[in-house]
Amino acid sequence: SQTIHQWPATLVQPVGSPLSLECTVEGTSNPNLYWYRQAAGRGLQLLFYSVGIGQISSEVPQNLSASRPQDRQFILSSKKLLLSDSGFYLCAWSLDRGYEQYFGPGTRLTVT
Amino acid sequence: GENVEQHPSTLSVQEGDSAVIKCTYSDSASNYFPWYKQELGKGPQLIIDIRSNVGEKKDQRIAVTLNKTAKHFSLHITETQPEDSAVYFCADPPPTGGYNKLIFGAGTRLAVHP
Repeated sequence: SQTIHQWPATLVQPVGSPLSLECTVEGTSNPNLYWYRQAAGRGLQLLFYSVGIGQISSEVPQNLSASRPQDRQFILSSKKLLLSDSGFYLCAWSLDRGYEQYFGPGTRLTVT
Repeated sequence: GENVEQHPSTLSVQEGDSAVIKCTYSDSASNYFPWYKQELGKGPQLIIDIRSNVGEKKDQRIAVTLNKTAKHFSLHITETQPEDSAVYFCADPPPTGGYNKLIFGAGTRLAVHP
């Protein structure tokens, strides 16, 4: 069966510091991968998606970036965090040509 | 279509009552309609979905109905229990062809009171 992991689970970072969040999927090949952000009490905002290694599409202009160095690994990064980057970051995967998306446990980021 | 409207934003029911959440979409070509449940501090979990060739789908106490003419689909929870308390999201069906992107509704916070 497929599983999705995210780490770290929680993170507290000062403004201006770098960020690296990691997501890995097990038990499937060539998945579509997604990064979402959820502000407190709000909905899900799609940040990036990827249909293959090195293929990244950005949905919202911001100071975040994403990379996919391996088939089942998706990384969210920032060179300098802003207070507004605080939130709950969720990674998700779907099968190639599959509609259903499956979410990881999330990373709660607090920028101080 | 890129827009999905979800109502109500909050819903409070007594244990044992039914709960209904509705989403309206804009793309008449949409063909996939999912519902997700998010418990506090966790990632959303897909709980039920329906394709456009079906009008209703049931799974124990939950069901989803689709009205393609009116372009809306609804989540029905019967005999609600306290563990049904969560935030529920519908998602805008992805465009036909291409990547499978989902645009989520704003969410409905359901509280089931014992």
